[in-house]
Amino acid sequence: EAQVTQNPRYLITVTGKKLTVTCSQNMNHEYMSWYRQDPGLGLRQIYYSMNVEVTDKGDVPEGYKVSRKEKRNFPLILESPSPNQTSLYFCASSSTGMPGYTFGSGTRLTVV
Amino acid sequence: DQQVKQNSPSLSVQEGRISILNCDYTNSMFDYFLWYKKYPAEGPTFLISISSIKDKNEDGRFTVFLNKSAKHLSLHIVPSQPGDSAVYFCAASVWGNNRLAFGKGNQVVVIP
Repeated sequence: EAQVTQNPRYLITVTGKKLTVTCSQNMNHEYMSWYRQDPGLGLRQIYYSMNVEVTDKGDVPEGYKVSRKEKRNFPLILESPSPNQTSLYFCASSSTGMPGYTFGSGTRLTVV
Repeated sequence: DQQVKQNSPSLSVQEGRISILNCDYTNSMFDYFLWYKKYPAEGPTFLISISSIKDKNEDGRFTVFLNKSAKHLSLHIVPSQPGDSAVYFCAASVWGNNRLAFGKGNQVVVIP
């Protein structure tokens, strides 16, 4: 089954403790992206990657890092999480030039 | 600056009636538009799209209308069903560019 898999689904952590949210897709998509969803703000792009070793900032990249060492994986790293990063995070992928994304099921992160 | 705007954050409609969701965009370079549907605890899923060379696209109960001169699109759901209760996101892109700009979403509640 074609899918984007995120882990974990739920995470509660403390301020300053580094964490990684993993994302993997099995569709051989070149393009991958991370979004966060917050009440009243919709979906905002954090980072995206056009292909292996090619990443770029989205609209709200502060406090996040990403890497794209393999085509299928695109982890989101929070080096020092803060409470304002409490949010619902989605990973998405698509083929190059095709704007129709496949989204993962989401990761609900709470930073206390 | 929000390039894709969805006003009227929530909509309640009786089962069997029409649901109409509106979306406005500001970037005249956008030429491909999509609607995504999102249930709680799930990622957004693609619903329907339209290219700027068309002014209407229909898929079953879902029809999207595009008015390029007004930079406006709308999604019609006829007839509305309880399973349509979800958040609907409007999104826009430039064809060939994977980046999507999303609106804030509209909550639709279909009353049985």
